[in-house]
Amino acid sequence: QLQLQESGPGLVKPSETLSLTCTVSGDSIRSISYYWGWIRQPPGKGLEWIGSIHFSGSTYYNASLRSRVTVSVDTSRNQFSLKLTFVTAADTAIYYCARVGYSSFDPWGQGSLVTVSA
Amino acid sequence: QSALTQPRSVSGSPGQSVTISCTGTSSDVGGYNYVSWYQQHPGKAPKLMIHDVSKRPSGVPDRFSGSKSGNTASLTISGLQAEDEADYYCCSYAGSYTSGVFGGGTKLTVL
Repeated sequence: QLQLQESGPGLVKPSETLSLTCTVSGDSIRSISYYWGWIRQPPGKGLEWIGSIHFSGSTYYNASLRSRVTVSVDTSRNQFSLKLTFVTAADTAIYYCARVGYSSFDPWGQGSLVTVSA
Repeated sequence: QSALTQPRSVSGSPGQSVTISCTGTSSDVGGYNYVSWYQQHPGKAPKLMIHDVSKRPSGVPDRFSGSKSGNTASLTISGLQAEDEADYYCCSYAGSYTSGVFGGGTKLTVL
């Protein structure tokens, strides 16, 4: 059974870099058919797709975040990662990782709350 | 891309049917048959309920159905049950170089 698990710091200072890792278990991240993506949800608000990566290294990013986002993949560890630079309070959110099909995200990790605060 | 438009809330009594709409444009909902729907209970991760407009993943009750007409997709839940009370989000493919754009979410209340 495919499972995803986010990990990383729960608190990041303003202007610093948010870093999260998603560990995939139950299947190989080296799937030709799927991308692997990050989605976030500010407290009490809706979902926002951040970016996705294929094991080959091909990436797609949300245009509104493209200048600050990097998604990378480590096939040897069956992991993919998110870096978001120059964070502000507006980046406070639950960050989810998920396997990505054609606009369908399934399954999802349990989510990781990241708070941006000094 | 702009977020897809969903009603903020809908409600229904147990046993009734409710429909949640999701309106986009010809660049997303209307242009592709790649609309998905997610159910999210408080404090939980979203769960895929419908993909490719109307396909149900294994394990999703057939009370949940999806459809699309023009630039608007819809999720219908029939035979409402108490456990259906949750937030629901639609998502659509919006072309190359994107994995999708989400709707703002709809809170379903089972009266």
